[in-house]
Amino acid sequence: QKEVEQDPGPLSVPEGAIVSLNCTYSNSAFQYFMWYRQYSRKGPELLMYTYSSGNKEDGRFTAQVDKSSKYISLFIRDSQPSDSATYLCASLRSNDYKLSFGAGTTVTVRA
Amino acid sequence: DTAVSQTPKYLVTQMGNDKSIKCEQNLGHDTMYWYKQDSKKFLKIMFSYNNKELIINETVPNRFSPKSPDKAHLNLHINSLELGDSAVYFCASSQDTANTGELFFGEGSRLTVL
Repeated sequence: QKEVEQDPGPLSVPEGAIVSLNCTYSNSAFQYFMWYRQYSRKGPELLMYTYSSGNKEDGRFTAQVDKSSKYISLFIRDSQPSDSATYLCASLRSNDYKLSFGAGTTVTVRA
Repeated sequence: DTAVSQTPKYLVTQMGNDKSIKCEQNLGHDTMYWYKQDSKKFLKIMFSYNNKELIINETVPNRFSPKSPDKAHLNLHINSLELGDSAVYFCASSQDTANTGELFFGEGSRLTVL
């Protein structure tokens, strides 16, 4: 069983829609939670990270972590065609600092 | 200036061959990684080096041998290539091991084994 499970997708939404991406994790040692964005034929790039439970907002992006239910979410408001990419959630263990990734969700925003 | 650069970008080779991928980072980071991304986009860590010292060595066949000549470089050599080795290999770096999960990735080296 993977330590971080991600809704597989793919997701296709019209421009302007809200995109909701979700992951769950199994290891209580995870303390940092990240979302990476990967465009086609490129390497992943860090989009947002949060420490422990709570919300973090950055422009049109909101990351949420609920440690009690081991749930990680990313919301993209007013989605744009340029948001079309694969989104990978990731969690960092506090004991050995090993980063575990979800399998990624490919999002297509239709103009 | 590319922060994490890896060469070659594409590799097509026959089963049984040996190949190498090179990686360099100019960010001044202490820690470098090799990740493998399969066709389903799952990204799995293979190795991690901190200041030239191996610190993470996941369950990877010993046909894969990383080498870090200095903290800015991390190479990956693969012996006796198999079909299942076909994947995209990403090099990444981070400031140090006790990081917040912010890794800087290269653009990947796409390996196809025929």
